[in-house]
Amino acid sequence: DTGVSQNPRHKITKRGQNVTFRCDPISEHNRLYWYRQTLGQGPEFLTYFQNEAQLEKSRLLSDRFSAERPKGSFSTLEIQRTEQGDSAMYLCASSLVRDQPQHFGDGTRLSIL
Amino acid sequence: RKEVEQDPGPFNVPEGATVAFNCTYSNSASQSFFWYRQDCRKEPKLLMSVYSSGNEDGRFTAQLNRASQYISLLIRDSKLSDSATYLCVVNTGLYGSSNTGKLIFGQGTTLQVKP
Repeated sequence: DTGVSQNPRHKITKRGQNVTFRCDPISEHNRLYWYRQTLGQGPEFLTYFQNEAQLEKSRLLSDRFSAERPKGSFSTLEIQRTEQGDSAMYLCASSLVRDQPQHFGDGTRLSIL
Repeated sequence: RKEVEQDPGPFNVPEGATVAFNCTYSNSASQSFFWYRQDCRKEPKLLMSVYSSGNEDGRFTAQLNRASQYISLLIRDSKLSDSATYLCVVNTGLYGSSNTGKLIFGQGTTLQVKP
């Protein structure tokens, strides 16, 4: 499978715990995006990487959130001290060039108890 | 006001019907436009890009009106398998070093095709 891969698919955790998600983009894609989607809404942009550089962060990304893309390959998104409002689907997407459509992974569904 | 607005529906139509979805966007600097399809609890998948000249892919036709900042999607001869949420998506401003190519999504329009 050469698409965007995300894991885990599902994560259930207690409020206050830390969680980390991983995204493996399509191998030749240097642009990687994280989005968050809550029920009944479209995805909302969180952050963008070009290779290993994080070039944009949304105001949605509070200081409890951190994302990395070491060596410009896979990316991780960590949420510290999770809150109920963090429950959502976290989607990763990648593209080769800026004006090409983005390809999405299956997403990680986070549920906070 | 949201940057991309869609009627959330749901649209309930019989098989074989023609259905049209509309979308408006607020940023006149927007440069590229897409329709994505999303099945329940799945990731969004690209349905088609939208061009100023209009474009067609089988039963699907997309139109863009830059003057009115309006995008449409027409589905002809709808099938049961067309039941999904259709997301109108805009990429605002492709030019200049500051643009990252992030996508702005509408809320989505839900289509339910019934036998």
